[in-house]
Amino acid sequence: NAGVTQTPKFRILKIGQSMTLQCAQDMNHNYMYWYRQDPGMGLKLIYYSVGAGITDKGEVPNGYNVSRSTTEDFPLRLELAAPSQTSVYFCASNDPGGTIYEQYFGPGTRLTVT
Amino acid sequence: AQSVTQLGSHVSVSEGALVLLRCNYSSSVPPYLFWYVQYPNQGLQLLLKYTSAATLVKGINGFEAEFKKSETSFHLTKPSAHMSDAAEYFCAVSERRGTGGGADGLTFGKGTHLIIQP
Repeated sequence: NAGVTQTPKFRILKIGQSMTLQCAQDMNHNYMYWYRQDPGMGLKLIYYSVGAGITDKGEVPNGYNVSRSTTEDFPLRLELAAPSQTSVYFCASNDPGGTIYEQYFGPGTRLTVT
Repeated sequence: AQSVTQLGSHVSVSEGALVLLRCNYSSSVPPYLFWYVQYPNQGLQLLLKYTSAATLVKGINGFEAEFKKSETSFHLTKPSAHMSDAAEYFCAVSERRGTGGGADGLTFGKGTHLIIQP
């Protein structure tokens, strides 16, 4: 199993541009999450999904959108990028029927908005 | 609402010395607790987790943590630090709910940067 994969690893955006961060998992996990990590602030939950077609907001959803058309994929969309969205983005997944609440993380996408 | 406090954004210990990273949590229901480690430019790796089976939890790389309900703490320890332990450590909490409790995501502390002095 590849686990949780994320693309791209790095990206530089200009203010106002848009992009999609890709996340995929091959563990057949129903639950998937997007976090952002800012220096000295830990990780904060942006959006999560409990299955295909079902998504919900986390703690810091403004400026982002998600979709979940398949169990495997959970892309994060940034519209009108702003400098405040400069961060490292992590995708995670877990299976509530398996190891309780342990989340598996991808390697992250480092995004800079200038 | 749940929250996590990690005391000390940076902790420095000598190689071979005891490592103690502090974590206190608040939760309205019995929690699940986790320690994750992040090496430079990498993702998060689970060190250990508490899910109520035992209060003293052993993890990978010689780390362990003890859940103390009366102190709402879940401190991480390692008897003898190694240079390879230098990394960022995150404590996280997830509240137990009914079905779908895990879907609320983890609440993380701000992290503790562990520095190992030779």
